[in-house]
Amino acid sequence: IQMTQSPSSVSASVGARVTITCRASQDILVWLAWYQQKPGNAPQLLIYAASSLQSGVPSRFSGSGSGTDFTLTISSLQPEDAAIYYCQQGSTFPRTFGQGTKVEIK
Amino acid sequence: EVQVLESGGGLVQPGGSLRLSCAASGFTFSSYDMTWVRQAPGKGLEWVSVIYGDGSNTYAESVKGRFTISRDNYKSTVDLQMDSLRVEDTAVYYCAKVGESSSFDHWGQGTLVTVSS
Repeated sequence: IQMTQSPSSVSASVGARVTITCRASQDILVWLAWYQQKPGNAPQLLIYAASSLQSGVPSRFSGSGSGTDFTLTISSLQPEDAAIYYCQQGSTFPRTFGQGTKVEIK
Repeated sequence: EVQVLESGGGLVQPGGSLRLSCAASGFTFSSYDMTWVRQAPGKGLEWVSVIYGDGSNTYAESVKGRFTISRDNYKSTVDLQMDSLRVEDTAVYYCAKVGESSSFDHWGQGTLVTVSS
């Protein structure tokens, strides 16, 4: 299953609402996770099952979608949110990731 | 607190072998699947392999027949034996615990494998 993210990069001001989309090449129900990766660090799970917030993750992060189309929303962008975000499908093997979306702060 | 820690990375020549190890703690290890994900320099994430609690496993096509994943539920460790290494296997290798809905909920810090002559 191919995972396609858009946009590839986004630049927004602190406090802005940011939306990243992820499209699967076939139906994955809600087997979708989102990760945040900061330079030099391992990825960190933000969202699982398309819309469930991982423990300890700020509530400004939310996920939605099912089937083939999914979104990750940051409701109010903070400086510490500058990172690359990846989606990942857990429906079938091989597990696959999107190519990543780089979020920058203006 | 869940902790995952990889070791064993290094420089190896093409065609060589390397064994990575992952030590986990803070959860009932035998009850959870564990996975390896890699990231080539400046690139995105690529899933490599998963091992279930009972020891069964699955691999990415790119490593099938060359990599072998194993686990020791008594020691709470997962190993990745990498043979016939290629230049394109150069990457940071991450070990992660598999959580809800096949997400990867706890990751190690990664270990760098460099395949070069």
